[in-house]
Amino acid sequence: GAGVSQSPSNKVTEKGKDVELRCDPISGHTALYWYRQSLGQGLEFLIYFQGNSAPDKSGLPSDRFSAERTGGSVSTLTIQRTQQEDSAVYLCASSGPGQQGETQYFGPGTRLLVL
Amino acid sequence: GDSVTQMEGPVTLSEEACLTINCTYTATGYPSLFWYVQYPGEGLQLLLKATKADDKGSNKGFEATYRKETTSFHLEKGSVQVSDSAVYFCALQGAQKLVFGQGTRLTINP
Repeated sequence: GAGVSQSPSNKVTEKGKDVELRCDPISGHTALYWYRQSLGQGLEFLIYFQGNSAPDKSGLPSDRFSAERTGGSVSTLTIQRTQQEDSAVYLCASSGPGQQGETQYFGPGTRLLVL
Repeated sequence: GDSVTQMEGPVTLSEEACLTINCTYTATGYPSLFWYVQYPGEGLQLLLKATKADDKGSNKGFEATYRKETTSFHLEKGSVQVSDSAVYFCALQGAQKLVFGQGTRLTINP
């Protein structure tokens, strides 16, 4: 079956512009996660959705970052007024319903470069 | 808060050598533990996992045992191959989100 998909795969933007990153989770997965992978910081958690609600936004680095999920499926991560330090690979993961320890499956990521 | 500490890399070995990548964790309670692998140019893939103490996860010849006493989840393989060259991440599941170690880059030379 289809895995987690993300688009675009690469995005180059100019400092100050807004960008939108999209994630399509595995069908039927109720939980969706965004992480960021950067050279200096490793893999960092950004936000977690259960259905359409986001019980944990603790990892969003600033108020320039926001995310939404509609219909319990597709999610969009938006970065406003991008800065060079936002350059990273943004990873999305999803997991099935239920208990602690449910495995998260990752998409291929969106590589963002802010010039 | 929860944290994961991994063996510093990079690690370079010859084919058929034994591999151990150390991983220790700090967490409240008994989280599930994971090893993820990232092959060159690819995304993160689950390699193996263990959900409770003394569980052993295994896949593709790799093994790791959940050791509650030493709060460790070391990754081992008896004989590595060139195709095992990748970055390996140890992680724990705390309050839904994954907390990752810093990653260990492994290079296997023929």
